[in-house]
Amino acid sequence: NAGVTQTPKFRILKIGQSMTLQCTQDMNHNYMYWYRQDPGMGLKLIYYSVGAGITDKGEVPNGYNVSRSTTEDFPLRLELAAPSQTSVYFCASSWGARADTQYFGPGTRLTVL
Amino acid sequence: RKEVEQDPGPFNVPEGATVAFNCTYSNSASQSFFWYRQDCRKEPKLLMSVYSSGNEDGRFTAQLNRASQYISLLIRDSKLSDSATYLCVVIPNAGNMLTFGGGTRLMVKP
Repeated sequence: NAGVTQTPKFRILKIGQSMTLQCTQDMNHNYMYWYRQDPGMGLKLIYYSVGAGITDKGEVPNGYNVSRSTTEDFPLRLELAAPSQTSVYFCASSWGARADTQYFGPGTRLTVL
Repeated sequence: RKEVEQDPGPFNVPEGATVAFNCTYSNSASQSFFWYRQDCRKEPKLLMSVYSSGNEDGRFTAQLNRASQYISLLIRDSKLSDSATYLCVVIPNAGNMLTFGGGTRLMVKP
């Protein structure tokens, strides 16, 4: 099993550009999550999904959109990139909603200039 | 007040030392508690859950103090490989999403 994979690993965007961060898991997990981690800070939940076709906002959803058309994929869309979105983005998945089952991808480092 | 607070450190300790970190949480109704480990520029990985009665996993011991609303992590006989950031994680209510602390950085020196 590859676990949770994310692409790209790194990206530099100009202000106002858009992009999609890809996340795929091969563990047949129901739950998937997107977090962002700013330097020296903990992770903040952006969006999560409890199954295909179901998504919900987390703590910091503004400026982002998600979709979940399949169990495996949970892409995160940035429509109008802003410098405040410079961060490391982690995707995670779990069978249930409990922390001890969450598996994280390697992250995407995004810089918006 | 932040929901989950940690001393950012760094804690600089020699190999073989015992070191302890605390983490305080603001919601008295919090249900579940965990410690995650995050290596530099890597993803977080679950280190251990924290149970009401306390629990131990090798050199690591986790404790929960509900009255004072904090959890702790004790590392005995520190190894160089223990150098990492330790994230305190709380689930505020049953079934709710994780809330992360900012992490405590540990550096173990030879």
